[in-house]
Amino acid sequence: ETGVTQSPTHLIKTRGQQVTLRCSSQSGHNTVSWYQQALGQGPQFIFQYYREEENGRGNFPPRFSGLQFPNYSSELNVNALELDDSALYLCASRVGLAIRDEQYFGPGTRLTVT
Amino acid sequence: DQQVKQNSPSLSVQEGRISILNCDYTNSMFDYFLWYKKYPAEGPTFLISISSIKDKNEDGRFTVFLNKSAKHLSLHIVPSQPGDSAVYFCAASYTGANSKLTFGKGITLSVRP
Repeated sequence: ETGVTQSPTHLIKTRGQQVTLRCSSQSGHNTVSWYQQALGQGPQFIFQYYREEENGRGNFPPRFSGLQFPNYSSELNVNALELDDSALYLCASRVGLAIRDEQYFGPGTRLTVT
Repeated sequence: DQQVKQNSPSLSVQEGRISILNCDYTNSMFDYFLWYKKYPAEGPTFLISISSIKDKNEDGRFTVFLNKSAKHLSLHIVPSQPGDSAVYFCAASYTGANSKLTFGKGITLSVRP
């Protein structure tokens, strides 16, 4: 067990709707990263937050946004859902910004967009 | 444009034998490489890593080899155990600001008892 939890486990939404996914990191983990894993693919980096500020973003449109809170929880928000947004969404936390700090992944939220 | 490639989607080996999982990369800026293991309904867990200044790193039954000139790395598991059956992801990054992990598609390893 990594100490990183995500909610909900599964979610079904309709195209055009908005969704909020949640992640709770280990205490003291100041960095949280979010990944999208489509079926048959590896995790793809969405963005990263460090001490409540965005600190790096992958090739995802602005309708993907996030928040990180002082209590080591974070959110991923996706607006105007598209069918291709159907995927497993993973969050990962680590202590600092160094990529060599071990990242701990949550079990993910499976999002289905119909 | 896939910068980290795991070209074999699956591998099946007999218990006790060696498992060799391969990974290729195209971005010469990558200087740090990792392997993650993922069981169903769980997030990926870190297995082993290697810096570009080394060509081998060993941790128990797991050894990662890096060939920088070929832009190739491999994970060796010896001896393989049924509990090693999982999806294995190769990931790469570079040292620097806003660095991120770039993952391959993964390889499903099945270890037969």
